[in-house]
Amino acid sequence: GEDVEQSLFLSVREGDSSVINCTYTDSSSTYLYWYKQEPGAGLQLLTYIFSNMDMKQDQRLTVLLNKKDKHLSLRIADTQTGDSAIYFCARGGATNKLIFGTGTLLAVQP
Amino acid sequence: NAGVTQTPKFRVLKTGQSMTLLCAQDMNHEYMYWYRQDPGMGLRLIHYSVGEGTTAKGEVPDGYNVSRLKKQNFLLGLESAAPSQTSVYFCASSYGADLTEPQHFGDGTRLSIL
Repeated sequence: GEDVEQSLFLSVREGDSSVINCTYTDSSSTYLYWYKQEPGAGLQLLTYIFSNMDMKQDQRLTVLLNKKDKHLSLRIADTQTGDSAIYFCARGGATNKLIFGTGTLLAVQP
Repeated sequence: NAGVTQTPKFRVLKTGQSMTLLCAQDMNHEYMYWYRQDPGMGLRLIHYSVGEGTTAKGEVPDGYNVSRLKKQNFLLGLESAAPSQTSVYFCASSYGADLTEPQHFGDGTRLSIL
């Protein structure tokens, strides 16, 4: 995922908000996604945003998209220990192929 | 409804051995994918299939072959395993090319090549 970049690690305290950031280079992407990977498991789709949107909210999750800067973020409100996982940003390509970022490990401290 | 099932879950091979990883989905999905996950590199697409009898190369296809003889199964083969193929392999499936349809992932196969 050279053209989708994320920071590798984020540590927050339980109850705080978490913000996971992602940058991408291909401006032709129409959809951008956030996946969650818990230990020993596969990836689970959390949410996605269409490129003509600036924001999407789904319960504790808020996705912000700055298309000009090619920057995507995922905010998790009231972070819980169960949110500890690796979070992957991905962009949609042709034939529903996904280009993944390197993943951000979120560690939630009790 | 089991979703996407991968077998085996773990395997250790010696360099030069061959093996096949099996992916099965029971969601009647047309599209199937094989990824590998390596530390610090995210997931990279190896091969994919847009329907029974079709396969196509992804980002890192060298050293792997695939077959999609049945719609529900997608096999990933290593003809002569190399240490560089030590990785976690994920299979995924999706209904079609609609980008609003999520890819569903299996739990992965952890493969070590000695």
